[in-house]
Amino acid sequence: ETGVTQSPTHLIKTRGQQVTLRCSSQSGHNTVSWYQQALGQGPQFIFQYYREEENGRGNFPPRFSGLQFPNYSSELNVNALELDDSALYLCASREGTGANYGYTFGSGTRLTVV
Amino acid sequence: AQSVTQLDSHVSVSEGTPVLLRCNYSSSYSPSLFWYVQHPNKGLQLLLKYTSAATLVKGINGFEAEFKKSETSFHLTKPSAHMSDAAEYFCVVTPKVGYGQNFVFGPGTRLSVLP
Repeated sequence: ETGVTQSPTHLIKTRGQQVTLRCSSQSGHNTVSWYQQALGQGPQFIFQYYREEENGRGNFPPRFSGLQFPNYSSELNVNALELDDSALYLCASREGTGANYGYTFGSGTRLTVV
Repeated sequence: AQSVTQLDSHVSVSEGTPVLLRCNYSSSYSPSLFWYVQHPNKGLQLLLKYTSAATLVKGINGFEAEFKKSETSFHLTKPSAHMSDAAEYFCVVTPKVGYGQNFVFGPGTRLSVLP
């Protein structure tokens, strides 16, 4: 059973709107990352937070932003939604920033932009 | 920079026969390597990881992988496939050091298991 929960599981938004996706990590996991997985592709790294500070970012525009809270929860915000933003968004957490730590992934939020 | 190539987009095996899913990587730094599995409508589950210890890594559900630095490979194997192994498999590379240490995923290999 995964220790990372995401909400909502499915979401439909209109182009141009804004969306907030939420994630609750395992207790003690102070590193959280967000990934975008388009249909038929591998997940792409969006950004990573460590102790509430962003410490890594992939090739995504600034309209993708995030927050991490002290209670091990986090958010992914996307402004000015585009049709290509339709994807599965995955939240992943781990205990530290070292590469020896594997991520625990949530089941994702499926976002559809129409 | 890091990158991952999964040489087969789809592999089909019969139940009870061996499984081989191929992965080659490129990394500017000494890498850590992982295999994850994704069942339909499910999140990603860690199968196994290589960080810097033994080059033959054993994971869950009978899977194992061997890190071969000279070949820049990290192929996933299982002696005998089970119907429940049918899923999408992702090879992942990340540098041991550096800013962010984000995971770089391969494009995935879909494993089908025939009865």
